[in-house]
Amino acid sequence: DAGVTQSPTHLIKTRGQQVTLRCSPKSGHDTVSWYQQALGQGPQFIFQYYEEEERQRGNFPDRFSGHQFPNYSSELNVNALLLGDSALYLCASSSLGSSPLHFGNGTRLTVT
Amino acid sequence: GNSVTQMEGPVTLSEEAFLTINCTYTATGYPSLFWYVQYPGEGLQLLLKATKADDKGSNKGFEATYRKETTSFHLEKGSVQVSDSAVYFCALSEGQAGTALIFGKGTTLSVSS
Repeated sequence: DAGVTQSPTHLIKTRGQQVTLRCSPKSGHDTVSWYQQALGQGPQFIFQYYEEEERQRGNFPDRFSGHQFPNYSSELNVNALLLGDSALYLCASSSLGSSPLHFGNGTRLTVT
Repeated sequence: GNSVTQMEGPVTLSEEAFLTINCTYTATGYPSLFWYVQYPGEGLQLLLKATKADDKGSNKGFEATYRKETTSFHLEKGSVQVSDSAVYFCALSEGQAGTALIFGKGTTLSVSS
């Protein structure tokens, strides 16, 4: 049974560019959440998707947007990249109304 | 707002030593509490959880008790192993299960043989 899978594993972008990260949830899960983990910090909640809609959002600017597809997979898009967007981006899945979250190994984004 | 505070690391121990990592929280309601572990190059794995006051979560020799009176959820292990070397995160979730987690900054544990 595959767990949460994320792609790509590493990515290097230039300031001002746009990036798309992808996530496939664990089998049987219908809810996807995204977290940003800066170096040496704990993960910070970006947003959560269920039934293809954003259910909950953390304190992140509109440059961060997402999408969930009918097969429950999800994308995280970041526009107008800043140096400060460099981080490990973690995807987590769950079944709505239940815990715990299952995390993927993350995508390491470097903005130069 | 809700928050989690963990003791700062790194924590360096010899194999078979006793481990305590302190965690306190601030929450407006009755949160669920979690400990996650992150091994190098990997995502987070749930280590243990507790959903109400006085619950004790346990897994792989690790334990933590939900103390509402002291708003704490300290992680303990009686005898650490080299393989326990990792970053440990305390987290809380308030409201419906599966809602957003609020994490502490993490505590790095290094165990030497």
